[in-house]
Amino acid sequence: DQQVKQNSPSLSVQEGRISILNCDYTNSMFDYFLWYKKYPAEGPTFLISISSIKDKNEDGRFTVFLNKSAKHLSLHIVPSQPGDSAVYFCAASAGDMRFGAGTRLTVKP
Amino acid sequence: DGGITQSPKYLFRKEGQNVTLSCEQNLNHDAMYWYRQDPGQGLRLIYYSQIVNDFQKGDIAEGYSVSREKKESFPLTVTSAQKNPTAFYLCASSSPGRTEAFFGQGTRLTVV
Repeated sequence: DQQVKQNSPSLSVQEGRISILNCDYTNSMFDYFLWYKKYPAEGPTFLISISSIKDKNEDGRFTVFLNKSAKHLSLHIVPSQPGDSAVYFCAASAGDMRFGAGTRLTVKP
Repeated sequence: DGGITQSPKYLFRKEGQNVTLSCEQNLNHDAMYWYRQDPGQGLRLIYYSQIVNDFQKGDIAEGYSVSREKKESFPLTVTSAQKNPTAFYLCASSSPGRTEAFFGQGTRLTVV
């Protein structure tokens, strides 16, 4: 039973536009949420996180939004750049840390 | 340099043999994790440990074993009971408070 779900396997965006990656979770015990970026054959790199007591966290071009009532979080990248092209994973933690299946983002020049 | 190190990067084993993957961190992190990634899929949690001498099963623990005798080390043994051991294995660590986890570069295990 997948506790963290990313239902869009891929997303293609034009350079300079906004990228929105979505993530849903089922376990209400999760109290910390994270986004990671990953390239093939490498370990994931941390991007941004949010505690369950907040609904928004911003770091430069990256903003994470959390809607606890909907058990939904999203990552906004503005403006998108070709270097952002990678697989993005959301993760949720309640002492453990579980990941979604990932969304492959392609930013076209 | 502080970090988390997995070795080796590539590992080949014959079917039926046990194999141990190494994971070492010098970040003074209490929590450590093992994940498995199959082609085109996400990261699935195998085992995790929040403190020395204690660990819990994740979602796909069958056929794997771990130990946590030292804070710095969390080795994963892939036993012959694991039906499909060929995969990319990732180790991670984090400090208390469920903050971000840092990942190693992974070990690609191929069983022939």
